[in-house]
Amino acid sequence: NAGVTQTPKFRILKIGQSMTLQCTQDMNHNYMYWYRQDPGMGLKLIYYSVGAGITDKGEVPNGYNVSRSTTEDFPLRLELAAPSQTSVYFCASSYSHGQGVTDTQYFGPGTRLTVL
Amino acid sequence: KQEVTQIPAALSVPEGENLVLNCSFTDSAIYNLQWFRQDPGKGLTSLLLIQSSQREQTSGRLNASLDKSSGRSTLYIAASQPGDSATYLCAVISAGNNRKLIWGLGTSLAVNP
Repeated sequence: NAGVTQTPKFRILKIGQSMTLQCTQDMNHNYMYWYRQDPGMGLKLIYYSVGAGITDKGEVPNGYNVSRSTTEDFPLRLELAAPSQTSVYFCASSYSHGQGVTDTQYFGPGTRLTVL
Repeated sequence: KQEVTQIPAALSVPEGENLVLNCSFTDSAIYNLQWFRQDPGKGLTSLLLIQSSQREQTSGRLNASLDKSSGRSTLYIAASQPGDSATYLCAVISAGNNRKLIWGLGTSLAVNP
């Protein structure tokens, strides 16, 4: 298994540009997550999904959009990039046995995004 | 609202020492608690997961304990090695928010040869 893969690894955007961060997992996990990590701020949940076709907002969803058309893929879209979105973005996945409680989360290697 | 705190924020020890990292949480109604490791510039790797009904979990030189009533967990690392140098993060899933991990800010550990 490749686990959770993310592309690209690095990206520099200009203000106002848009891009999609890709995330794929091959573990047949039903739950997937997007986090951003800023120095000294810890991990913040942007969006999550409990299955194909179902997404929900996390703590910091503004400026982002997601979709989950398949179990494997969970892309994160930035429509109008702003300097405040400079961060490291992590995708993660986990398996839920039901009642919403999940096993451990598996993380991708991250995408380092700079908006200038 | 669940909050997770990790103390100390940074720790530097000589190789071979046994050490303890601390994690506290404000709401004892949790489903589980997890410890992760993050190497510089890398993603997170799960180390140990303790279910709310458990008191501890062990993996190799790592032992994590959970005391729900006091809202505390400790990660014990035996015979530390330079390769243990990383940031260690604690996270909980709360009973009131059972799909989301609530994260601490981590302890940055340096093990010096």
